[in-house]
Amino acid sequence: DQQVKQNSPSLSVQEGRISILNCDYTNSMFDYFLWYKKYPAEGPTFLISISSIKDKNEDGRFTVFLNKSAKHLSLHIVPSQPGDSAVYFCAAPPYGGATNKLIFGTGTLLAVQP
Amino acid sequence: DAGVIQSPRHEVTEMGQEVTLRCKPISGHNSLFWYRQTMMRGLELLIYFNNNVPIDDSGMPEDRFSAKMPNASFSTLKIQPSEPRDSAVYFCASSLTGLQEAFFGQGTRLTVV
Repeated sequence: DQQVKQNSPSLSVQEGRISILNCDYTNSMFDYFLWYKKYPAEGPTFLISISSIKDKNEDGRFTVFLNKSAKHLSLHIVPSQPGDSAVYFCAAPPYGGATNKLIFGTGTLLAVQP
Repeated sequence: DAGVIQSPRHEVTEMGQEVTLRCKPISGHNSLFWYRQTMMRGLELLIYFNNNVPIDDSGMPEDRFSAKMPNASFSTLKIQPSEPRDSAVYFCASSLTGLQEAFFGQGTRLTVV
């Protein structure tokens, strides 16, 4: 079973506060994870990634945390800005499959209120 | 580079008609993916090409769906005959072998009435 799950379809936060988007996965052999951001009427764009040899990766306001024992990762956005309002997808290459094929979650719609 | 280019951006068709979606990947990329986005399933991989050869088509829902990549700069996804449940946004993406980051086109919103 190789799935990536995002159990929160939506999240609303105030501008300036922290946004935390969560993602769970089913296969402990997954070794690389990506977050994509999608605005309406546009294709998803790559945001940040993390390898399973790390537990944290930071890029400006965006930080991804990986908890391998819980098979859970999260994306933190601090501080949140209205321009961050978008759908966020987590993704992972399947274990034993093509290295650049990706399995995506169902996405979380983030709304940052001014 | 203009990125991944998809056409048309929007397509409205009647049930039973043939629909063809087109994609031009980023020059130099050797992997191409067709995804479908729906509310219930998120982004589903339909088919994946590497060096113009279909590698994994396990996500293609039915025989009504077919995809081709006649050369490194062009791919099509065809639905024949189309059905209302095919209504979705279809994305094409490309990447380089060995890199997990894929670059997506703007998508084609398909509505079958």
